[in-house]
Amino acid sequence: AQKITQTQPGMFVQEKEAVTLDCTYDTSDPSYGLFWYKQPSSGEMIFLIYQGSYDQQNATEGRYSLNFQKARKSANLVISASQLGDSAMYFCAMRESGNNRLAFGKGNQVVVIP
Amino acid sequence: DTEVTQTPKHLVMGMTNKKSLKCEQHMGHRAMYWYKQKAKKPPELMFVYSYEKLSINESVPSRFSPECPNSSLLNLHLHALQPEDSALYLCASRGVEGDSIRRNEQFFGPGTRLTVL
Repeated sequence: AQKITQTQPGMFVQEKEAVTLDCTYDTSDPSYGLFWYKQPSSGEMIFLIYQGSYDQQNATEGRYSLNFQKARKSANLVISASQLGDSAMYFCAMRESGNNRLAFGKGNQVVVIP
Repeated sequence: DTEVTQTPKHLVMGMTNKKSLKCEQHMGHRAMYWYKQKAKKPPELMFVYSYEKLSINESVPSRFSPECPNSSLLNLHLHALQPEDSALYLCASRGVEGDSIRRNEQFFGPGTRLTVL
């Protein structure tokens, strides 16, 4: 069963605007972590932001924020003030406690246009 | 030093060749990973080493042979590959702190782009 769902098609975003990338997850483990990674065309996977299941507040890292709705099992990434360098694939991922595996979603392609 | 390095960056090999991919980290991480990634797809887990012991093998064909010589190094030996094995191979590492969920994000290397002719 798929644990992470990212269903949006490729997105075009105007420079300087905000974009929200959807991610829903499925787990029965009360303890888990959610991660977002960015992968530009060069290939490297860049860690962006983390949300723990027990964290009371939504995570923020610079222009990245995570809209964590635990009851709905969603962890949407918000990128504010998009820049051309934000053009990339974005992957949502989850790790459950005691598990070395990171379950990835299928990814969202984002293209920022000037 | 929060860097995972991988060599080579690009590799072209024939189906009868033997080659190796190398990965190195000096963050003291005790979990290291190999992933295979096709274009526009998420990374697929291949192997996990935990404390230099192979803990996960995701039913990977034996033409891929991992090796963890020490806590900083991870190799992937390749032999008799097929054209469909052409992909980006990513190495990652993660700190291991018992079973509790802490941030412990995986740090990824830049990858090796492998082409099998």
